[in-house]
Amino acid sequence: GQNIDQPTEMTATEGAIVQINCTYQTSGFNGLFWYQQHAGEAPTFLSYNVLDGLEEKGRFSSFLSRSKGYSYLLLKELQMKDSASYLCAGLDSNYQLIWGAGTKLIIKP
Amino acid sequence: GAVVSQHPSWVICKSGTSVKIECRSLDFQATTMFWYRQFPKQSLMLMATSNEGSKATYEQGVEKDKFLINHASLTLSTLTVTSAHPEDSSFYICSARYGAEYTEAFFGQGTRLTVV
Repeated sequence: GQNIDQPTEMTATEGAIVQINCTYQTSGFNGLFWYQQHAGEAPTFLSYNVLDGLEEKGRFSSFLSRSKGYSYLLLKELQMKDSASYLCAGLDSNYQLIWGAGTKLIIKP
Repeated sequence: GAVVSQHPSWVICKSGTSVKIECRSLDFQATTMFWYRQFPKQSLMLMATSNEGSKATYEQGVEKDKFLINHASLTLSTLTVTSAHPEDSSFYICSARYGAEYTEAFFGQGTRLTVV
């Protein structure tokens, strides 16, 4: 079956760095997405990786290892507004997004 | 990024009535639109995928006669929850994709449905 695993909740301190891991098993693979979702709002796109390696975009970076079925989202210089759920989603061979349950990130002052 | 507008943002309805939710792509033509449901503290659950001019493809366990989807144009899809019950109360989110199938999906703001 298809499955996306990510931690349920993480806590970090304002100004610090946090890494949110995601492992995936999909039928075929056409890329991996990270989305941010604040409570009561729809997800917003953060990143898309289809090749191995690190993609950096400002304070956020995303890494992919296809051989390991593994990705992580790295958030630097954490701000209070980064408190949200972070959703990992794999794109399978039918170009259907398979969603993880999300990681709730709590930022403390 | 592209903009997807979903309306209404929230709605309260009586049990047994029907509710229509609209999803519009404002500045692009969406080849595919998706409808999701999300219960509190849970992930997105895909309900159906619709392509303009054709019938929606529903996920297993989703009643097509209860959740009517119409994708009449490349910029508009509607979801109608018929004969709503309290257990249908949820956060409904649409997303739209354009062009190549690997492009990111753009999400509407979501609709909080409460059935009383």
